[in-house]
Amino acid sequence: GAVVSQHPSRVICKSGTSVKIECRSLDFQATTMFWYRQFPKQSLMLMATSNEGSKATYEQGVEKDKFLINHASLTLSTLTVTSAHPEDSSFYICSASLGLGGYQETQYFGPGTRLLVL
Amino acid sequence: GDSVTQMEGPVTLSEEAFLTINCTYTATGYPSLFWYVQYPGEGLQLLLKATKADDKGSNKGFEATYRKETTSFHLEKGSVQVSDSAVYFCALSGDNYGQNFVFGPGTRLSVLP
Repeated sequence: GAVVSQHPSRVICKSGTSVKIECRSLDFQATTMFWYRQFPKQSLMLMATSNEGSKATYEQGVEKDKFLINHASLTLSTLTVTSAHPEDSSFYICSASLGLGGYQETQYFGPGTRLLVL
Repeated sequence: GDSVTQMEGPVTLSEEAFLTINCTYTATGYPSLFWYVQYPGEGLQLLLKATKADDKGSNKGFEATYRKETTSFHLEKGSVQVSDSAVYFCALSGDNYGQNFVFGPGTRLSVLP
């Protein structure tokens, strides 16, 4: 149980285009979803936390107009990288939890999406 | 704030060797502790967790004990396999609503045949 999927797994796009990444909880309802970014050989960096039906909470230094997050339902959150540039190339990972986040919650992670911007 | 420290990697072991990856944490209250594993090119998978002091999490031959007195959650496995080669992340989840996960920097393990 507690499976999280991401689509696409890999995407290559031209500079200036927008890319949408989907994150789905397949067998549970995720009250909270998280978006992380991971640079090569580094730990995960939390970008934003989203609760279904409300605006995402972005971490300091993350541009909310650049990384649009929509958490339209309890099983789907999307991250749109707008006007992508080569420096946005990274591994993006989502996770989901059953509760409100924190409070000893377990997070279940998706397999990640590798974005390459040319 | 809360933080997690892991031993520096990479760690290189021969197959069937004993593995220890140290993890210590700083947190207020009573966090839950986790080990996640990331295989090459993949996302994170929950390996094991412990939610209170003296709890032992175990899975796939790995185990870790929540030691509040030493604020540690060291990962151990008695006999590693080549397939265990991955990056291991120690993490904590605080006991207040709205607190996010805090990850350690990760420890890369390479197991040689």
